[in-house]
Amino acid sequence: QVQLVQSGAEVKKPGASVKVSCKASGYTFSNYAIHWVRQAPGQRLEWMGWINTGNGDTKYSQNFQGSLTITRDTSASTAYMELRSLNSGDTAVYYCARLNGVYFDPWGQGTQVTVSS
Amino acid sequence: EIVLTQSPATLSLSPGERATLSCRASQNVGSFLAWYQHKPGQAPRLLIYDTSNRATGIPARFSGSGSGTDFTLTISSLEPEDFAVYYCHQRSSWYTFGQGTKLEIK
Repeated sequence: QVQLVQSGAEVKKPGASVKVSCKASGYTFSNYAIHWVRQAPGQRLEWMGWINTGNGDTKYSQNFQGSLTITRDTSASTAYMELRSLNSGDTAVYYCARLNGVYFDPWGQGTQVTVSS
Repeated sequence: EIVLTQSPATLSLSPGERATLSCRASQNVGSFLAWYQHKPGQAPRLLIYDTSNRATGIPARFSGSGSGTDFTLTISSLEPEDFAVYYCHQRSSWYTFGQGTKLEIK
């Protein structure tokens, strides 16, 4: 079945970077875009950006311009989200999701990123 | 940015009852609205897309309606597995989400 499996929880210090992976299975990876969404404690889901897994083109929310990089490795059917210059406000659960047509389906299970000194 | 406001924040109902969840958009999103179900520790699941279309494998007790700025998710008869948080999501202008409605057992 179509599935996205994300890497495990991370604890980072302020100013550090984090890289989360999202491995796809059950479909042709390069045929569907991958998006990243996060949810901070008590906050709504926030869209971060996406990657065209076919040609590698990316688009980021203005909120993450300069701090976010999304990449992919087609040979591994895996997308990556790297967030730099972390602060406590980046503590959140990070999700990858496949763009199925025009909506997100399925989603990964989520990766908890905690930023703490 | 299009802001989605969901109501109520929490809905307390019993199995077998009917649930009605609302989502209001700050601007017209046409029919480009979806609903997701989210249980703790699990991936969000697409329920309804483009206002009223059920996603693959979603039971018929879930239905969506509305257009423009006002949308509704209805669960006709609640099953125990339906108690979760529900989010609306628009794709008319970039991507934004509502703050969620928690459906809890009364």
